[in-house]
Amino acid sequence: GAVVSQHPSRVICKSGTSVKIECRSLDFQATTMFWYRQFPKQSLMLMATSNEGSKATYEQGVEKDKFLINHASLTLSTLTVTSAHPEDSSFYICSARAETSGRAWGEQYFGPGTRLTVT
Amino acid sequence: AQTVTQSQPEMSVQEAETVTLSCTYDTSESDYYLFWYKQPPSRQMILVIRQEAYKQQNATENRFSVNFQKAAKSFSLKISDSQLGDAAMYFCAYRSKNSGNTPLVFGKGTRLSVIA
Repeated sequence: GAVVSQHPSRVICKSGTSVKIECRSLDFQATTMFWYRQFPKQSLMLMATSNEGSKATYEQGVEKDKFLINHASLTLSTLTVTSAHPEDSSFYICSARAETSGRAWGEQYFGPGTRLTVT
Repeated sequence: AQTVTQSQPEMSVQEAETVTLSCTYDTSESDYYLFWYKQPPSRQMILVIRQEAYKQQNATENRFSVNFQKAAKSFSLKISDSQLGDAAMYFCAYRSKNSGNTPLVFGKGTRLSVIA
């Protein structure tokens, strides 16, 4: 089964509202989680790297005030898209890196993604 | 900064045949990881194969194998006995070993079609 879950899998929201996406590592602890954005027929674009208990590191060009990332525990990270606009519509993917012997050390597992549509 | 290049945006292969997907990368590091990921229409990223740079032996996973040429900075993926379920986007990725926080660096991907 999936080792990284994302919720919701699909969300439609109105322009100006905020949306929260959850990413959970189900059977391992992940000190580091990554958030990606993927446009149709394109590669994954790294948005930010989050470490449990500390502030996320955002990639150049990613607005940290728009894309709020919280990594509150070793199994949960959240991405909140604030004041969403149609241009924020995209496919968002989280990924968690295993840090315990229960999973291959350093292996990176991906969530199934969240399709966000802003109307 | 490291870069990963996949020069074939699209490839096709007949069912049961063999296909090779190309990947080159640029780095000044001597030890690192290389990966091939598959993204089927479901969009779930699936690890296909992993190679550690210090290992000279090419990695193999069932029908999937790599040709790792460290000096040439080349990391191609060979799919043998292609199946319809192999149709997907394939991404080559690089990861530094410098620290646990380093993200994967992805290529732009190759879309593989399998013809019945």
